[in-house]
Amino acid sequence: KAGVTQTPRYLIKTRGQQVTLSCSPISGHRSVSWYQQTPGQGLQFLFEYFSETQRNKGNFPGRFSGRQFSNSRSEMNVSTLELGDSALYLCASSLVIGVSYEQYFGPGTRLTVT
Amino acid sequence: SQQGEEDPQALSIQEGENATMNCSYKTSINNLQWYRQNSGRGLVHLILIRSNEREKHSGRLRVTLDTSKKSSSLLITASRAADTASYFCATPSGSARQLTFGSGTQLTVLP
Repeated sequence: KAGVTQTPRYLIKTRGQQVTLSCSPISGHRSVSWYQQTPGQGLQFLFEYFSETQRNKGNFPGRFSGRQFSNSRSEMNVSTLELGDSALYLCASSLVIGVSYEQYFGPGTRLTVT
Repeated sequence: SQQGEEDPQALSIQEGENATMNCSYKTSINNLQWYRQNSGRGLVHLILIRSNEREKHSGRLRVTLDTSKKSSSLLITASRAADTASYFCATPSGSARQLTFGSGTQLTVLP
């Protein structure tokens, strides 16, 4: 099976702009989670989508949003970019089995805000 | 916020030696997972241990879990240069598929 894919891999944006990142999960996985990784804050959960519904959201401002399509592909959007949004954005897909699950991560999108 | 703290933050060993890293967490869990991340890339799932398990093996990896102490350890035996990476423990939190990660251990294996 193909792994989780994320596009684009690298992105440079200017403060105040907006950006959309895309994630295609492993075939058959219906859950997609997004994480932000920075040197200062580490890996932090952004939100999770399952069956096109946002199931949980981390402690991020409303500028961060996302959605999931019927084919389980997901996008996240960040509006009014700030310098602090520079980070590696990772998405992960899950095949949920009971209450224990593993997440399979994509390679990430490196966002630089200047 | 981060659920766990990992110890040590950095570890440097020679090829062939064993590497042990520890993780502590704060709340009750039903499983704990370990992931590896090569420099600036995605995370790779290594192993999942359930709360009713005390030890689990996968190849050169051995994970232990002590729920009374809220701690876990990852042992990599006979390390290789290719094991150089950051290692994170992660626990599910909330009702959804949300992982909370530790701060990570940067392992360097010298040839």
